[in-house]
Amino acid sequence: SQKIEQNSEALNIQEGKTATLTCNYTNYSPAYLQWYRQDPGRGPVFLLLIRENEKEKRKERLKVTFDTTLKQSLFHITASQPADSATYLCALDPTGFQKLVFGTGTRLLVSP
Amino acid sequence: SAVISQKPSRDICQRGTSLTIQCQVDSQVTMMFWYRQQPGQSLTLIATANQGSEATYESGFVIDKFPISRPNLTFSTLTVSNMSPEDSSIYLCSVEDRQGGGLTTNEKLFFGSGTQLSVL
Repeated sequence: SQKIEQNSEALNIQEGKTATLTCNYTNYSPAYLQWYRQDPGRGPVFLLLIRENEKEKRKERLKVTFDTTLKQSLFHITASQPADSATYLCALDPTGFQKLVFGTGTRLLVSP
Repeated sequence: SAVISQKPSRDICQRGTSLTIQCQVDSQVTMMFWYRQQPGQSLTLIATANQGSEATYESGFVIDKFPISRPNLTFSTLTVSNMSPEDSSIYLCSVEDRQGGGLTTNEKLFFGSGTQLSVL
């Protein structure tokens, strides 16, 4: 069956450290993968998109990698801050029509 | 970017009643998407709403339970009908990010803030 898996346990890290979140997928062959941030009571907000022919993409303190062999994407936040505390969702588009399928998300807690 | 206004932001409803959720976008968009996020779960696509045609529903969702209207390119409604406690969830509308007069998609989605629905 098709699955997108993210670590359901919250990730607790100290301010200043690098947070690494994992997204694994099964039985999909996505052309790209996206990461979103969701705060309580809010809708998801787009962060980064990485295509199948890209190994890595960066945006300020964010970095995403995409390994189509391992069927895995890693999402890194360097120099993390308490304001980075949120739930992070990965998503992919199996159909090519923006009908995104989302992982369950990983909650990140950054302590001062 | 697109700014999406969704209302109500939350509601508490009685079993057997219906609730209509409105989604207003500040620009014209071809496709609007309705998602559900059950407690502790991921977002699940309910249906795609295109202006001028019937909505397209995903597996497990039917029009009788979730009727959708799309009267123009900036507005859509989702109705949750004959509600039961299992319908308690967050409902989110979203739109795709298009540029160049709608000719090119940037693949990402913009989301409204969601409607928190509790059914007693």
